[in-house]
Amino acid sequence: AAGVIQSPRHLIKEKRETATLKCYPIPRHDTVYWYQQGPGQDPQFLISFYEKMQSDKGSIPDRFSAQQFSDYHSELNMSSLELGDSALYFCASSYGQGALTYEQYFGPGTRLTVT
Amino acid sequence: AQTVTQSQPEMSVQEAETVTLSCTYDTSESDYYLFWYKQPPSRQMILVIRQEAYKQQNATENRFSVNFQKAAKSFSLKISDSQLGDAAMYFCAYRGMYSGGGADGLTFGKGTHLIIQP
Repeated sequence: AAGVIQSPRHLIKEKRETATLKCYPIPRHDTVYWYQQGPGQDPQFLISFYEKMQSDKGSIPDRFSAQQFSDYHSELNMSSLELGDSALYFCASSYGQGALTYEQYFGPGTRLTVT
Repeated sequence: AQTVTQSQPEMSVQEAETVTLSCTYDTSESDYYLFWYKQPPSRQMILVIRQEAYKQQNATENRFSVNFQKAAKSFSLKISDSQLGDAAMYFCAYRGMYSGGGADGLTFGKGTHLIIQP
């Protein structure tokens, strides 16, 4: 079965640079979620999109932005990178929103290292 | 805000035996979902099992089952006939039924590292 695809899998950036992470949800899934997992931490919800509109926001820094495109893929843009942004970034997808939402399926993650 | 607590940072079990991982949560909502996710060394987050709060019957998926006690806000995971491939970090997660206010995202516990002894 098709899974969530994330690219790139690994990314190394320097402080103050910009990074773009991409996510391709499972076919027919219309909701995308972004999470950040720091070393030894649990994943923290950043932002979600349903039918190409921002659905909800969690603890996403102002330096980060995201969008969902017409083909339902999503991109997380991170600017003015800081050392503390080094983490594993997960994208997850599901079908439906709110009370209609089924479980979230996670991609393999993008490991971002900021030096 | 909802919180999820996993009080066991690490658990160890002999292969083929049964182990139970604990999870408690705090919420003022009456409708919600609870999940257990597994994160092996590959760091992939894998859904193990899901429970809807309105269902009294405990969810079961093959060797994995839960003990859901809504009044006590407890959601433990039982793994029967433990296998070496079960070794991983296990996260308990909560999600409200409705969107908004950060409720779209899963709220995770800190995780329990499960070690399988051969």
